[in-house]
Parts: sequence; structure tokens; C-alpha cells
Amino acid sequence: AQTVTQSQPEMSVQEAETVTLSCTYDTSESDYYLFWYKQPPSRQMILVIRQEAYKQQNATENRFSVNFQKAAKSFSLKISDSQLGDAAMYFCAYRSGGAQKLVFGQGTRLTINP
Amino acid sequence: EAGVAQSPRYKIIEKRQSVAFWCNPISGHATLYWYQQILGQGPKLLIQFQNNGVVDDSQLPKDRFSAERLKGVDSTLKIQPAKLEDSAVYLCASSSRGGVGETQYFGPGTRLLVL
Repeated sequence: AQTVTQSQPEMSVQEAETVTLSCTYDTSESDYYLFWYKQPPSRQMILVIRQEAYKQQNATENRFSVNFQKAAKSFSLKISDSQLGDAAMYFCAYRSGGAQKLVFGQGTRLTINP
Repeated sequence: EAGVAQSPRYKIIEKRQSVAFWCNPISGHATLYWYQQILGQGPKLLIQFQNNGVVDDSQLPKDRFSAERLKGVDSTLKIQPAKLEDSAVYLCASSSRGGVGETQYFGPGTRLLVL
């Protein structure tokens, strides 16, 4: 079974600075997708960014980018120019090309210091 | 467009009681998911529907949990009888066709506390 590990329960960063959240996963499959979801306090979970395993180029969405290291099974999220609204729980998730369900990591709580 | 709707937002019950949660997915979305999120953990899929058929319920505790999706639209998740360890946030999500790379849109969740 696939597993997703987020080794940083909490992270903090100064406003306007850059922070990187770590994620590793375990799989024997070659076809899969990886996702980062954001869950603000008392608000619903939203997709931040996704990466297809077959793509070598790292995905970017405005201030959010990933460092996808397929051989190392690592998928980190970089947030540039951190803003107060980025404060949330961040979940890394994996989805097999053959299966339907998302497998989530334990989450990283990100705090932005003004 | 309207997002995924869930009700109630909060529920407090005593152990051995029954409880039901309701979810209305985004209009036109064929795939509906129920997740359980225990405090301090990531969400865990309980059941996935494609239209009104079950695709995956391998992690649903079927001795006490049940779910249905009548007419392929709204869905209800029921717990009977509830245990203390069922205290969690129950998230409903939907996606257009259930494709691997599709975005799943989440509802606000129902926070359940079992005393």
C-alpha cells in the first residue's frame, strides 16, 4: 500500500520570506499523481498544486512550486513571498494511476509571522 | 458555481447513538467521496461513489457505517452505533468524472464529537 509521510508537523516563516514543506512517499508504481492541499482553519480544503509523475518539469502555480524528485520519492512544496493568508494545514497526497483514492500525509501546520 | 454543501456543520452525540451526515456535491459531478479526518491526521477515504454505484468502500467500517447516494446526486453517511473513536471531521468531496488527475472539491466538513 502506498504511504505518504510529512516529517514536519509544524513550520513557521516570516511574512514575505520563502518556506519549503517536505513530503516523501512510498510506491512501486510508475504512473501516479501528487498533490498539495491547503486547509485553512475552519475552512475547506483546496487544491494548491498537482504534479504528474510522468512529467519531469516541476509544477508551478504563482508563488507555489514543487521540487519533484521521482527517484528519491520526494515532493516538496515551496511557498515564495509568504503571505498571512498562507497560514493553514498543508497536506501532501498521492493518487495511483490505477486507483481512485487519495492517500494523504499527516499534514504540516504552517504559521506566518508578521 | 456553488461548492460542495454539507450539513450539519457540528454534531455532538453520546456513544451508541446514531448520526447521519448529508452531502450535496457540485452540480454535474459524477464522483462523490466521503473522508474521515481524525484530529492531527490527514483525511482517510471511507467510500467513493461513481454516480450511484460504490467504487471503493474498502476502508469503511461496515459493521457501523453505511452510506448511500440515491439518484447519483446527494449522499448520506450514517454511523450506528457511534463509538468514541468516531470523533472526527467528516469531509465530503466531489469531482467531475473521478479521473486520476482531476481536482477533488471539498466541502466544509461535519465535525462530530462522540461523548
